[in-house]
Amino acid sequence: AQSVTQLGSHVSVSEGALVLLRCNYSSSVPPYLFWYVQYPNQGLQLLLKYTTGATLVKGINGFEAEFKKSETSFHLTKPSAHMSDAAEYFCAVSSGSARQLTFGSGTQLTVLP
Amino acid sequence: SQTIHQWPATLVQPVGSPLSLECTVEGTSNPNLYWYRQAAGRGLQLLFYSIGIGQISSEVPQNLSASRPQDRQFILSSKKLLLSDSGFYLCAWSGGDGQPQHFGDGTRLSIL
Repeated sequence: AQSVTQLGSHVSVSEGALVLLRCNYSSSVPPYLFWYVQYPNQGLQLLLKYTTGATLVKGINGFEAEFKKSETSFHLTKPSAHMSDAAEYFCAVSSGSARQLTFGSGTQLTVLP
Repeated sequence: SQTIHQWPATLVQPVGSPLSLECTVEGTSNPNLYWYRQAAGRGLQLLFYSIGIGQISSEVPQNLSASRPQDRQFILSSKKLLLSDSGFYLCAWSGGDGQPQHFGDGTRLSIL
């Protein structure tokens, strides 16, 4: 069984400041890890993914995340926040024969002017 | 390129009425298909997934059902809706092991 914990259901940052959204996972098998972003009343858009190989992965819109096996973490970062980054962010871990996703409860990011 | 379509975008239904939500994928074959529900202020809950025509796995006991009559068509149904069925329903597909899931735009279901 797998699970995902996102620390902080709401995070506020100033425009231009560092964005850090935390994600810890548990998985009985080597995990595939994902970050998704959701804008109001829309579906989820993939930001980035980790499957194998390089542990620092870069995604769209300037986001990146680092897989740290020893810490069972996959935190999402962006050096400089933009107003357009305001949205809800979901971390997910994938496993099982059909690679079902287990999602965290989400972090609502607010960007202050 | 692959696309996923969900309809309707919004739906208001009375308690006890039936439900049918449809999802289709274009540009790929034999995808894994998924139905999720997102309740207000909560994360996403996997309801059903399918690895092939007629093959449906249910993750959560409930009064909903799913069917996959064609390779790229996934339908979520209910015979009698409950108030607790309200939420945002998302369909997704993936190409296989290690591939990310791609989501439709969702259906906002309100039960009155």
